[in-house]
Amino acid sequence: EEQLVESGGGLVQPGGSLRLSCVASGFSFSTYGMNWVRQAPGKGLEWVSYIGSYRPTTFYADSVKGRFTISRDNAKNSLFLQMNSLRAEDTAIYYCAKDLSSWGQGTVVTVSS
Amino acid sequence: QSALTQPASVSGSPGQSITISCTGTYSDIGTYNSVSWYQQHPGKAPKLIIYDVTNRPSGVSNRFSGSKSGNTASLTISGLQADDEGDFYCSSYTGTDTPYVFGTGTTVTVL
Repeated sequence: EEQLVESGGGLVQPGGSLRLSCVASGFSFSTYGMNWVRQAPGKGLEWVSYIGSYRPTTFYADSVKGRFTISRDNAKNSLFLQMNSLRAEDTAIYYCAKDLSSWGQGTVVTVSS
Repeated sequence: QSALTQPASVSGSPGQSITISCTGTYSDIGTYNSVSWYQQHPGKAPKLIIYDVTNRPSGVSNRFSGSKSGNTASLTISGLQADDEGDFYCSSYTGTDTPYVFGTGTTVTVL
Protein backbone atom coordinates (compact mmCIF):
# COMPACT_ATOMS: atom_id res chain seq x y z
CA GLU A 1 0.00 0.00 0.00
CA GLU A 2 1.32 3.40 -0.97
CA GLN A 3 1.88 5.73 1.96
CA LEU A 4 3.10 9.30 2.31
CA VAL A 5 3.73 10.78 5.75
CA GLU A 6 4.45 14.49 6.15
CA SER A 7 6.08 16.15 9.14
CA GLY A 8 7.78 19.38 10.12
CA GLY A 9 4.81 21.72 10.31
CA GLY A 10 4.23 24.08 13.21
CA LEU A 11 3.85 27.67 14.33
CA VAL A 12 6.42 30.13 13.02
CA GLN A 13 6.69 33.91 13.08
CA PRO A 14 6.49 35.96 9.87
CA GLY A 15 9.87 36.00 8.21
CA GLY A 16 10.83 32.68 9.74
CA SER A 17 11.69 29.33 8.19
CA LEU A 18 10.45 25.75 8.29
CA ARG A 19 11.51 22.54 6.61
CA LEU A 20 8.81 20.05 5.74
CA SER A 21 9.54 16.37 5.15
CA CYS A 22 7.58 13.60 3.50
CA VAL A 23 8.56 9.94 3.79
CA ALA A 24 7.23 7.59 1.12
CA SER A 25 6.65 3.84 1.20
CA GLY A 26 4.87 1.18 -0.85
CA PHE A 27 6.10 2.32 -4.26
CA SER A 28 9.32 2.98 -6.12
CA PHE A 29 9.86 6.53 -4.89
CA SER A 30 12.82 7.33 -7.13
CA THR A 31 10.81 6.78 -10.32
CA TYR A 32 8.06 9.30 -9.64
CA GLY A 33 7.77 13.05 -9.79
CA MET A 34 6.61 14.51 -6.49
CA ASN A 35 4.61 17.57 -5.58
CA TRP A 36 3.72 19.78 -2.66
CA VAL A 37 0.17 21.12 -2.60
CA ARG A 38 -1.29 23.37 0.07
CA GLN A 39 -4.73 24.30 1.32
CA ALA A 40 -5.29 27.47 3.32
CA PRO A 41 -7.98 27.34 6.03
CA GLY A 42 -11.39 27.12 4.37
CA LYS A 43 -9.89 27.52 0.91
CA GLY A 44 -9.20 25.38 -2.13
CA LEU A 45 -6.15 23.44 -3.25
CA GLU A 46 -3.09 25.30 -4.51
CA TRP A 47 -0.23 23.55 -6.29
CA VAL A 48 3.07 24.71 -4.72
CA SER A 49 6.02 22.85 -6.21
CA TYR A 50 7.17 19.86 -8.29
CA ILE A 51 10.40 17.90 -8.50
CA GLY A 52 11.22 15.35 -11.18
CA SER A 53 12.23 11.76 -10.53
CA TYR A 54 15.88 11.59 -11.53
CA ARG A 55 16.75 14.86 -13.19
CA PRO A 56 16.81 17.88 -10.84
CA THR A 57 13.88 19.51 -12.58
CA THR A 58 11.98 21.75 -10.21
CA PHE A 59 9.03 24.07 -10.63
CA TYR A 60 7.36 26.53 -8.26
CA ALA A 61 4.15 28.48 -8.03
CA ASP A 62 4.70 32.20 -8.49
CA SER A 63 3.48 32.76 -4.92
CA VAL A 64 6.46 30.86 -3.45
CA LYS A 65 9.16 31.29 -6.08
CA GLY A 66 12.42 32.49 -4.56
CA ARG A 67 11.31 31.61 -1.02
CA PHE A 68 10.65 27.86 -1.12
CA THR A 69 13.02 25.09 -2.27
CA ILE A 70 11.92 21.55 -3.07
CA SER A 71 14.38 18.67 -2.86
CA ARG A 72 14.44 14.90 -2.52
CA ASP A 73 16.63 12.09 -1.20
CA ASN A 74 15.84 8.98 -3.22
CA ALA A 75 18.05 6.83 -0.98
CA LYS A 76 15.81 7.72 1.97
CA ASN A 77 12.51 7.81 0.02
CA SER A 78 12.10 11.37 1.25
CA LEU A 79 10.78 14.64 -0.13
CA PHE A 80 11.48 18.03 1.42
CA LEU A 81 10.24 21.60 1.23
CA GLN A 82 12.45 24.32 2.68
CA MET A 83 10.29 27.36 3.34
CA ASN A 84 11.98 30.70 4.03
CA SER A 85 10.68 34.25 4.49
CA LEU A 86 7.33 32.87 5.55
CA ARG A 87 4.25 35.09 5.36
CA ALA A 88 0.83 34.92 6.98
CA GLU A 89 -0.62 33.87 3.63
CA ASP A 90 1.56 30.73 3.68
CA THR A 91 -0.60 29.40 6.54
CA ALA A 92 -2.07 26.14 5.25
CA ILE A 93 -2.11 22.38 5.36
CA TYR A 94 0.77 21.17 3.20
CA TYR A 95 0.31 17.87 1.38
CA CYS A 96 2.93 15.87 -0.45
CA ALA A 97 1.58 14.00 -3.44
CA LYS A 98 3.02 11.40 -5.76
CA ASP A 99 2.15 12.50 -9.29
CA LEU A 100 -0.93 14.13 -7.75
CA SER A 101 -2.37 10.59 -7.50
CA SER A 102 -1.50 9.51 -3.97
CA TRP A 103 -1.57 12.06 -1.16
CA GLY A 104 -0.34 12.19 2.42
CA GLN A 105 -2.52 13.39 5.29
CA GLY A 106 -0.78 16.75 5.43
CA THR A 107 1.13 18.84 7.94
CA VAL A 108 -0.13 22.15 9.29
CA VAL A 109 1.92 25.31 8.92
CA THR A 110 0.81 28.42 10.80
CA VAL A 111 2.60 31.71 10.25
CA SER A 112 1.67 34.18 12.96
CA SER A 113 3.24 36.49 15.50
CA GLN B 1 -1.78 30.62 -14.11
CA SER B 2 -5.37 31.27 -13.00
CA ALA B 3 -7.39 28.64 -11.21
CA LEU B 4 -9.81 26.57 -13.25
CA THR B 5 -13.41 27.66 -12.78
CA GLN B 6 -15.91 25.39 -11.02
CA PRO B 7 -19.38 26.12 -9.64
CA ALA B 8 -19.24 26.83 -5.93
CA SER B 9 -21.95 24.32 -5.11
CA VAL B 10 -24.05 21.58 -6.67
CA SER B 11 -26.82 19.62 -4.98
CA GLY B 12 -29.03 16.67 -5.75
CA SER B 13 -31.32 14.12 -4.17
CA PRO B 14 -30.27 10.55 -3.44
CA GLY B 15 -30.30 8.46 -6.60
CA GLN B 16 -30.09 11.44 -8.93
CA SER B 17 -27.19 12.36 -11.19
CA ILE B 18 -25.25 15.58 -10.96
CA THR B 19 -22.54 17.11 -13.13
CA ILE B 20 -19.73 19.43 -12.06
CA SER B 21 -18.03 21.55 -14.69
CA CYS B 22 -14.41 22.69 -14.76
CA THR B 23 -13.58 25.44 -17.22
CA GLY B 24 -10.05 26.31 -18.21
CA THR B 25 -8.40 27.62 -21.33
CA TYR B 26 -6.96 26.32 -24.56
CA SER B 27 -3.54 26.31 -22.83
CA ASP B 28 -4.53 23.74 -20.22
CA ILE B 29 -7.74 21.69 -20.53
CA GLY B 30 -8.08 22.53 -24.21
CA THR B 31 -4.68 21.10 -25.11
CA TYR B 32 -3.92 18.34 -22.63
CA ASN B 33 -5.88 15.20 -21.75
CA SER B 34 -4.43 15.37 -18.25
CA VAL B 35 -7.50 16.38 -16.28
CA SER B 36 -8.00 14.83 -12.87
CA TRP B 37 -10.77 15.00 -10.30
CA TYR B 38 -10.44 14.74 -6.52
CA GLN B 39 -12.94 14.18 -3.74
CA GLN B 40 -12.24 15.65 -0.32
CA HIS B 41 -14.24 14.89 2.78
CA PRO B 42 -14.01 17.34 5.71
CA GLY B 43 -10.71 17.07 7.55
CA LYS B 44 -9.35 14.53 5.09
CA ALA B 45 -6.79 14.58 2.30
CA PRO B 46 -7.99 14.76 -1.30
CA LYS B 47 -8.57 11.43 -3.04
CA LEU B 48 -8.07 10.91 -6.75
CA ILE B 49 -11.27 9.68 -8.43
CA ILE B 50 -10.66 10.42 -12.12
CA TYR B 51 -7.41 10.84 -14.07
CA ASP B 52 -6.60 11.56 -17.70
CA VAL B 53 -10.13 12.90 -18.23
CA THR B 54 -12.03 9.60 -18.12
CA ASN B 55 -10.07 6.97 -16.18
CA ARG B 56 -10.95 5.71 -12.71
CA PRO B 57 -8.27 4.42 -10.33
CA SER B 58 -8.74 0.93 -9.01
CA GLY B 59 -11.35 0.84 -6.26
CA VAL B 60 -13.19 4.00 -7.28
CA SER B 61 -16.91 3.55 -7.87
CA ASN B 62 -18.12 3.48 -11.47
CA ARG B 63 -20.75 6.01 -10.41
CA PHE B 64 -18.04 8.60 -11.06
CA SER B 65 -17.33 9.42 -14.69
CA GLY B 66 -15.39 12.15 -16.47
CA SER B 67 -15.50 13.81 -19.86
CA LYS B 68 -14.11 16.80 -21.72
CA SER B 69 -15.28 19.11 -24.47
CA GLY B 70 -13.09 21.94 -25.64
CA ASN B 71 -11.81 23.91 -22.66
CA THR B 72 -14.28 22.39 -20.20
CA ALA B 73 -14.07 19.12 -18.31
CA SER B 74 -16.96 17.57 -16.42
CA LEU B 75 -17.45 15.10 -13.59
CA THR B 76 -20.74 13.23 -13.38
CA ILE B 77 -21.84 11.45 -10.24
CA SER B 78 -24.70 9.05 -10.88
CA GLY B 79 -26.88 7.37 -8.27
CA LEU B 80 -26.04 10.08 -5.75
CA GLN B 81 -25.39 8.78 -2.23
CA ALA B 82 -25.07 10.51 1.14
CA ASP B 83 -21.36 9.64 1.27
CA ASP B 84 -20.80 11.63 -1.92
CA GLU B 85 -21.15 14.86 0.06
CA GLY B 86 -17.93 16.83 0.19
CA ASP B 87 -15.69 19.04 -1.88
CA PHE B 88 -14.61 18.18 -5.41
CA TYR B 89 -11.65 19.67 -7.25
CA CYS B 90 -10.45 19.36 -10.83
CA SER B 91 -6.86 19.80 -11.95
CA SER B 92 -5.10 20.07 -15.27
CA TYR B 93 -1.59 19.88 -16.62
CA THR B 94 -0.54 23.17 -18.23
CA GLY B 95 2.72 22.39 -19.98
CA THR B 96 4.31 25.51 -18.50
CA ASP B 97 6.82 26.08 -15.69
CA THR B 98 3.83 26.05 -13.36
CA PRO B 99 2.75 22.64 -14.61
CA TYR B 100 -0.41 22.03 -12.60
CA VAL B 101 -3.47 24.12 -11.82
CA PHE B 102 -6.44 23.25 -9.62
CA GLY B 103 -10.05 24.25 -9.90
CA THR B 104 -11.79 26.55 -7.46
CA GLY B 105 -13.64 23.63 -5.88
CA THR B 106 -17.28 22.55 -5.72
CA THR B 107 -19.22 21.57 -2.63
CA VAL B 108 -21.65 18.74 -3.30
CA THR B 109 -24.70 18.49 -1.06
CA VAL B 110 -27.05 15.51 -1.00
CA LEU B 111 -30.51 16.79 -0.18
